[in-house]
Amino acid sequence: EIVLTQSPATVSLSPGETATLSCRASQTIDTSLAWYQQKPGQAPRLVIYDASIRATGFPARFTGRGSGTDFTLTITGLEPEDFSVYYCQQHKSWPRITFGQGTRLDIK
Amino acid sequence: VQLVESGGGVVQPGGSLRLSCAASGFTFNDYTLHWVRQAPGKGLEWVSLINWDGSYTSYSDSVKGRFTISRDNMRDSLHLQMHSLTSEDTAFYYCARGTRSYDHWGQGTRVTVSS
Repeated sequence: EIVLTQSPATVSLSPGETATLSCRASQTIDTSLAWYQQKPGQAPRLVIYDASIRATGFPARFTGRGSGTDFTLTITGLEPEDFSVYYCQQHKSWPRITFGQGTRLDIK
Repeated sequence: VQLVESGGGVVQPGGSLRLSCAASGFTFNDYTLHWVRQAPGKGLEWVSLINWDGSYTSYSDSVKGRFTISRDNMRDSLHLQMHSLTSEDTAFYYCARGTRSYDHWGQGTRVTVSS
């Protein structure tokens, strides 16, 4: 099973700052990675797919990078609505899809 | 695009439950569909998938042999039949659209396994 490790578990930042969330795969997954945003009581929303392609509805301040085993989601100029939990997900080992444990982005 | 789950509830250990997901707003039989669950306060776990015509299914090791995924392309609906439920199956269950990443999710249905 491909294990995804997200770091940090929690990060506290202020609006306007830049968040950098990390996702590391236990083996190479090329660019077979997606990022999701989940707010309390809501379903996840797709933010980035294929490591760097922004999904519909997400502004340019969301950037996904990486390939192989190391990936980042960068959110520049944090807005209040960005504070959520973010999950990475790999599909290299499809159909055995796996998720990271999540990073909580809190308002400082 | 809308995905609406139903069928969740409280069930005793060892019991069974059938979840459904009603789809609308897109061509249902163009898409692979998945069930993904989330235990209380925990992360996301892939459960099962079914391809566009139901000819291919796959399950996580944690549910294999107990859960059965199916779809009805005439009624634009997805189902998950769950048997031999344990407390480990307590979670929100989401249906999600997509082959490799999920561009649309339902709002989820809660399953609680408790005596």
